[in-house]
Amino acid sequence: QQPVQSPQAVILREGEDAVINCSSSKALYSVHWYRQKHGEAPVFLMILLKGGEQKGHDKISASFNEKKQQSSLYLTASQLSYSGTYFCGTTSPRSSNTGKLIFGQGTTLQVKP
Amino acid sequence: NAGVTQTPKFQVLKTGQSMTLQCAQDMNHEYMSWYRQDPGMGLRLIHYSVGAGITDQGEVPNGYNVSRSTTEDFPLRLLSAAPSQTSVYFCASSLTSGQSYNEQFFGPGTRLTVL
Repeated sequence: QQPVQSPQAVILREGEDAVINCSSSKALYSVHWYRQKHGEAPVFLMILLKGGEQKGHDKISASFNEKKQQSSLYLTASQLSYSGTYFCGTTSPRSSNTGKLIFGQGTTLQVKP
Repeated sequence: NAGVTQTPKFQVLKTGQSMTLQCAQDMNHEYMSWYRQDPGMGLRLIHYSVGAGITDQGEVPNGYNVSRSTTEDFPLRLLSAAPSQTSVYFCASSLTSGQSYNEQFFGPGTRLTVL
């Protein structure tokens, strides 16, 4: 079952912040975040493994709450280059030894000047 | 390294035709997978493989077959194309199948239209 992302779309001005949420009805083992530019392939951002783990990548960071089966992606002081579609992908404890990754439906982010 | 390559980039089929989408990687990755991407649906897993000779179904396997005879190649076969299979197809690979913390590398995609 696909994880659910919210919001579906968000429009920002340069310098504004955004949060993208990813939640699952099933237990999670890991959460992956990818960004896809229009007409291109998805590109890896980060992976979170442990409950409560937080990671950062430039001004993009994420958290993973294992108990709530949720992850959030934080985009701080957004830049035009942040525009694209963001996907979370999840693995479950049952599939942790295969790497089987199930993606959410995506969140489209548009950053305007 | 070429990374993950996919051919063709574009393809138009008529209903009922068959074809094979090719995927190859030169990174010696154990895990390979196929996704389809449709507007509003995100990336949906079709089939995946944890190593040569081992394949399994994903979320939307109906109408597709796969095989993995070598580590490098993971072709996706459409036996009898239907308009519902019009989509963008991505192949992806990652280093080892036994770890959930390996990033996946995606190919450039194949845009398929079934008339």
